[in-house]
Amino acid sequence: GDSVTQMEGPVTLSEEAFLTINCTYTATGYPSLFWYVQYPGEGLQLLLKATKADDKGSNKGFEATYRKETTSFHLEKGSVQVSDSAVYFCAGGSNAGGTSYGKLTFGQGTILTVHP
Amino acid sequence: DTGVSQDPRHKITKRGQNVTFRCDPISEHNRLYWYRQTLGQGPEFLTYFQNEAQLEKSRLLSDRFSAERPKGSFSTLEIQRTEQGDSAMYLCASSFRGAEKLFFGSGTQLSVL
Repeated sequence: GDSVTQMEGPVTLSEEAFLTINCTYTATGYPSLFWYVQYPGEGLQLLLKATKADDKGSNKGFEATYRKETTSFHLEKGSVQVSDSAVYFCAGGSNAGGTSYGKLTFGQGTILTVHP
Repeated sequence: DTGVSQDPRHKITKRGQNVTFRCDPISEHNRLYWYRQTLGQGPEFLTYFQNEAQLEKSRLLSDRFSAERPKGSFSTLEIQRTEQGDSAMYLCASSFRGAEKLFFGSGTQLSVL
């Protein structure tokens, strides 16, 4: 079955440091890829997405590029802030046929803590 | 847009009891999903509805679990004869059909003693 392998955490950084969280996805075909974020006390929310090879998703200074050859979707941010402290989940979902949108396979999550 | 709401936020029950959770999706959304999340893991897909029709169920959803969405609006997830292994956060999400963005609720935390 489909699987998502996500960089283990937790990750602790100082403010303005560079962030990378690795994610690779194994599936039949080429799924859409997502990063969801969960801030303390809040529900999961979509951070960014990419639906095909070489697509780059970006939002709030975060970026991730869909690499077809490695089925990777690593999350990056050039300068993290304290407010970026959260749990980050990589996820993939079939985009074939239009009937499986929303059926996502998630990684285990990476806890990010940013110190001032 | 009032978001996806779930009730209750927390539920503590004894093993063998039945529990029911409710999810109210964003009103215009015709798709509704249930996920389960255990500590230190990502959410796992359980089932989803398009309007009132339950279109897919995961193998994780044993016979003790049943979900309904009778009028295509709110949904309920019932667990019968709860077991300690059912302890988890149960998440509900909704979306428009054909849209890839899911909107998640804050979840119901179930503890089975």
